Amino acid sequence: GENVEQHPSTLSVQEGDSAVIKCTYSDSASNYFPWYKQELGKGPQLIIDIRSNVGEKKDQRIAVTLNKTAKHFSLHITETQPEDSAVYFCAAKESGGGADGLTFGKGTHLIIQP
Amino acid sequence: GAVVSQHPSRVICKSGTSVKIECRSLDFQATTMFWYRQFPKQSLMLMATSNEGSKATYEQGVEKDKFLINHASLTLSTLTVTSAHPEDSSFYICSAPLGQGYNEQFFGPGTRLTVL
Repeated sequence: GENVEQHPSTLSVQEGDSAVIKCTYSDSASNYFPWYKQELGKGPQLIIDIRSNVGEKKDQRIAVTLNKTAKHFSLHITETQPEDSAVYFCAAKESGGGADGLTFGKGTHLIIQP
Repeated sequence: GAVVSQHPSRVICKSGTSVKIECRSLDFQATTMFWYRQFPKQSLMLMATSNEGSKATYEQGVEKDKFLINHASLTLSTLTVTSAHPEDSSFYICSAPLGQGYNEQFFGPGTRLTVL
């Protein structure tokens, strides 16, 4: 089965600086890679995702890059703000429909220092 | 985006009792829903896939007789934790993709179960 590794487990950055979270996956059949933001006591919220036919995707201050050869993908948050503080999870699954659940990384606690 | 709700948001029960958790897709139909469990400060672990009109499929190590899943309609899946014990205390979260051919999964707000 799929195994997703995520680093770092905790990341503290100054407000306004950039944050980068990295994930690796093991199953070469995986080709859908979403990122979720989870606030305390709430369910995860999808913030961005990428499919294996593209190498990079950007949405305002958030971007995701994918290196399918190396089996790793990263989340980049620029101009961080206090409301970005949360736990971020990467995930992976095979594409081709909604029949498969997600395999999650262990999460990164992002702390934005004012 | 699509909205998924869960009920209840919190439940406290005595050891040995059963607890039912509902997951609803509010503005779309979901032939498939997923149930995850999250222990404190840990990641989400897929427990089972709920399929409308057929039996649920369970991940390895998840007891199907303990975690009963019923996908009663295209907008409702229920998870019943039977004979709950303190070690079942966890955050249970459901998700649903928009439909066949969609990868995006939308998560419910979660249910905090505490077994005394």
